[in-house]
Amino acid sequence: SQQGEEDPQALSIQEGENATMNCSYKTSINNLQWYRQNSGRGLVHLILIRSNEREKHSGRLRVTLDTSKKSSSLLITASRAADTASYFCAASGGSNYKLTFGKGTLLTVNP
Amino acid sequence: GAGVSQSPSNKVTEKGKDVELRCDPISGHTALYWYRQSLGQGLEFLIYFQGNSAPDKSGLPSDRFSAERTGGSVSTLTIQRTQQEDSAVYLCASSLYGTGHYNEQFFGPGTRLTVL
Repeated sequence: SQQGEEDPQALSIQEGENATMNCSYKTSINNLQWYRQNSGRGLVHLILIRSNEREKHSGRLRVTLDTSKKSSSLLITASRAADTASYFCAASGGSNYKLTFGKGTLLTVNP
Repeated sequence: GAGVSQSPSNKVTEKGKDVELRCDPISGHTALYWYRQSLGQGLEFLIYFQGNSAPDKSGLPSDRFSAERTGGSVSTLTIQRTQQEDSAVYLCASSLYGTGHYNEQFFGPGTRLTVL
C-alpha cells in the first residue's frame, strides 16, 4: 500500500497566494522527500527533511514534519504560474533506500 | 553530465516484443533505482542497485523484467515479451549513497513506453 498520501488531490489558487499540501504516511521513516513533476515526466527533488527535524526552508518552500502524527506539509509561498505541477511526497523507511510515493497533489496556479 | 539521463525518451513497441531502457546516473553516485509510473498505480519502486549489485529486486512485477548495471554506472532495464499493461513511464534515479539520512534521489526525465 502507499506509504505517503497527499492531501488535497488537486488545488487551484491565484498567483501570489500560498499553497499548502499535506502528506501522511503509515510507518516510521528515516526521512521524507518532496518532489515536483511537470507534465508527467521527470521528478525534480525539492527538499529532504530528516526524521529528527521538524521544519526546513528552501527559498519559497517550507516543509514541516510531525512524526507523532506521521504527517508532513509543504508550503509554497507567493506562488507563481510556473509552480503549476504535481507535487509528491516520498517516504524513506526502514530500508532507507526505497522511496514510497503518494499519489500526488496537482497544483494549478492561475495568473 | 550534470543530471540523470535516460534513453529513449519515448518507445512504442508491439505486444510480445522485447525492449531495453537505458539509464546514465549522475557521475559518482553509487546507488541507482528504477521506478515505474502508471495512471492506475502511481509511482512504484522496481529495483535498487548499490554498485553493480541489486540487493532489492522486490518491485519487479514479473520475471519478464530484469535489470543490470555495469561498471557501477549505466543501467539497463529489459522487459521481455511486452504486454499492454507494461505501458508506463519508467523513471531512473540515482543517489550518492543508498542509505543514510542524505540519500536524496535525483530523477531522470523518464522513458514513456507504449505497448500496442
